[in-house]
Amino acid sequence: ILNVEQSPQSLHVQEGDSTNFTCSFPSSNFYALHWYRWETAKSPEALFVMTLNGDEKKKGRISATLNTKEGYSYLYIKGSQPEDSATYLCAFQEGRDDKIIFGKGTRLHILP
Amino acid sequence: GAVVSQHPSWVICKSGTSVKIECRSLDFQATTMFWYRQFPKQSLMLMATSNEGSKATYEQGVEKDKFLINHASLTLSTLTVTSAHPEDSSFYICSARDGSQRQQYFGPGTRLTVT
Repeated sequence: ILNVEQSPQSLHVQEGDSTNFTCSFPSSNFYALHWYRWETAKSPEALFVMTLNGDEKKKGRISATLNTKEGYSYLYIKGSQPEDSATYLCAFQEGRDDKIIFGKGTRLHILP
Repeated sequence: GAVVSQHPSWVICKSGTSVKIECRSLDFQATTMFWYRQFPKQSLMLMATSNEGSKATYEQGVEKDKFLINHASLTLSTLTVTSAHPEDSSFYICSARDGSQRQQYFGPGTRLTVT
């Protein structure tokens, strides 16, 4: 059974501060690692699809890194804003046509 | 980005009745669609994978006769919860994969409450 772990489960961050959280996944077969942002009452929004070891992707104030050899990815948010409050999900994909396996998510609360 | 719609967004039904949930890809053709279920404070758990024109592949422990999935076209998949019971109350969400991309795009989900 493939296991995807995210930590922490919940995080409170002061507005303006930077933060990061972790996703760990099996380090054997690897195809892609997905990050999603899920705001209440909305569809999960795709942030990044990461495929290469050492990859780093950036979208505005949000960036992510990938280490496939050790099986982890970090998501960074710089200068947190209230609109960053959401659940951040990572998902592991073992093969091109395989399903993606989700972690439980990190719920981020930005404090004004 | 690609848009996936889901209907209804919430539904309340009586025990023993059946409920159909629709998932549509609005601006792309989805060769594969996925149905997930989320229990409180849990991950999105994959229920089944459906490919257009073929039978769905169900995950272990998911009753295929209870959760009927149809993927009749490249833009529509339906999940029917048959003879619903209170334990079927949950949040159901679909996603669609464009065959040319690695991304999966999600619908907004359906909250099902069985009374």
